Amino acid sequence: DVKVTQSSRYLVKRTGEKVFLECVQDMDHENMFWYRQDPGLGLRLIYFSYDVKMKEKGDIPEGYSVSREKKERFSLILESASTNQTSMYLCASSFSLAPRSYEQYFGPGTRLTVT
Amino acid sequence: SQQGEEDPQALSIQEGENATMNCSYKTSINNLQWYRQNSGRGLVHLILIRSNEREKHSGRLRVTLDTSKKSSSLLITASRAADTASYFCATDQYGNKLVFGAGTILRVKS
Repeated sequence: DVKVTQSSRYLVKRTGEKVFLECVQDMDHENMFWYRQDPGLGLRLIYFSYDVKMKEKGDIPEGYSVSREKKERFSLILESASTNQTSMYLCASSFSLAPRSYEQYFGPGTRLTVT
Repeated sequence: SQQGEEDPQALSIQEGENATMNCSYKTSINNLQWYRQNSGRGLVHLILIRSNEREKHSGRLRVTLDTSKKSSSLLITASRAADTASYFCATDQYGNKLVFGAGTILRVKS
């Protein structure tokens, strides 16, 4: 079974703090994704990575950065957390055979609260 | 940008009934996928239907795709309380990534 793990289920941070969210997958997937999920808005793509050290902006990259130094690990960084970044953050991974998309495997999510 | 739009936003049925959810999208797609999310959890992939397919089955799930109308439906037959969850459609816009809709909340009452 594919496993995608996220470093924390719940996180509370203060405004202005630098926040790191970690995601690890064990299926040797090329693609990894970070989404945020807010009520009524569904999932919105923040960043994705199709290979080590490669990244592309999604729909809402402002205020975020990412790092992928190893194939299995994809980190989301909030440079200076703000209250409007309070949300559920979901990491996912998938195989890559561009231009097709394949099923994505999701982690359990991190519920981040910024106060 | 929101590609998939699910309808209805919420659905409440009795155990044993069928549940139908619809998804509409705007541009041409490579495939369309349905996911389920239990409360406060990550999403789980249910089924993928390619643009050249019209119908697909998986257990109690039946998905249809009408590319001329840019719409899809997910039918869950003989629903169970454990089917209570949010259901999302996601479209592949030929870019190696998916675009998700806002989801349908399904509640199955026992």
